[in-house]
Amino acid sequence: GAGVSQSPSNKVTEKGKDVELRCDPISGHTALYWYRQRLGQGLEFLIYFQGNSAPDKSGLPSDRFSAERTGESVSTLTIQRTQQEDSAVYLCASSLGAPGMNYGYTFGSGTRLTVV
Amino acid sequence: AQSVSQHNHHVILSEAASLELGCNYSYGGTVNLFWYVQYPGQHLQLLLKYFSGDPLVKGIKGFEAEFIKSKFSFNLRKPSVQWSDTAEYFCALDSSNTGKLIFGQGTTLQVKP
Repeated sequence: GAGVSQSPSNKVTEKGKDVELRCDPISGHTALYWYRQRLGQGLEFLIYFQGNSAPDKSGLPSDRFSAERTGESVSTLTIQRTQQEDSAVYLCASSLGAPGMNYGYTFGSGTRLTVV
Repeated sequence: AQSVSQHNHHVILSEAASLELGCNYSYGGTVNLFWYVQYPGQHLQLLLKYFSGDPLVKGIKGFEAEFIKSKFSFNLRKPSVQWSDTAEYFCALDSSNTGKLIFGQGTTLQVKP
């Protein structure tokens, strides 16, 4: 596609429910990233995929968070048993290559998650 | 650990004023540096990037940034801001060693008409 597509754009869920967020990267982009942006704060790295594998999961805040990527394309970020502190905008970005290889990053519009 | 620091959290300027937003990083190796902008209600957009070569890089909408390796800085500048520049600005870096794009905390710029 022309850009990075994320769905849903907005999600309101009850505390304790599971949610699944989706990211469609730009076709051909092998690298995919998930970030979290809480209100008034910077972007917090969650996980990085190169192809379908995740060499860096260091940013996942707890074992309630998981992510997968299939077909070197779509990625889903799953949050189980959501808590109010999970409320944030979840951003996805993709890139042609690995970090430091002088490729830029393209960001999606994000999914605004509100846990009530 | 690598990090990016933006000293100005909230900047208020009048139209036509000059802008300089500070960005410092801590990493001794080779880095790529970026400035992103997020306009209200919109997604992150790339303003400019530095990979190598001329340390003074020009981006979109009249923005420029200067990489000063000795100061570990990559400050963003614009000679004359407009009301439409009201947005949040993020400095970021990546390298083959960081394994990811690392962001500063962001600077909110408010331009008064």
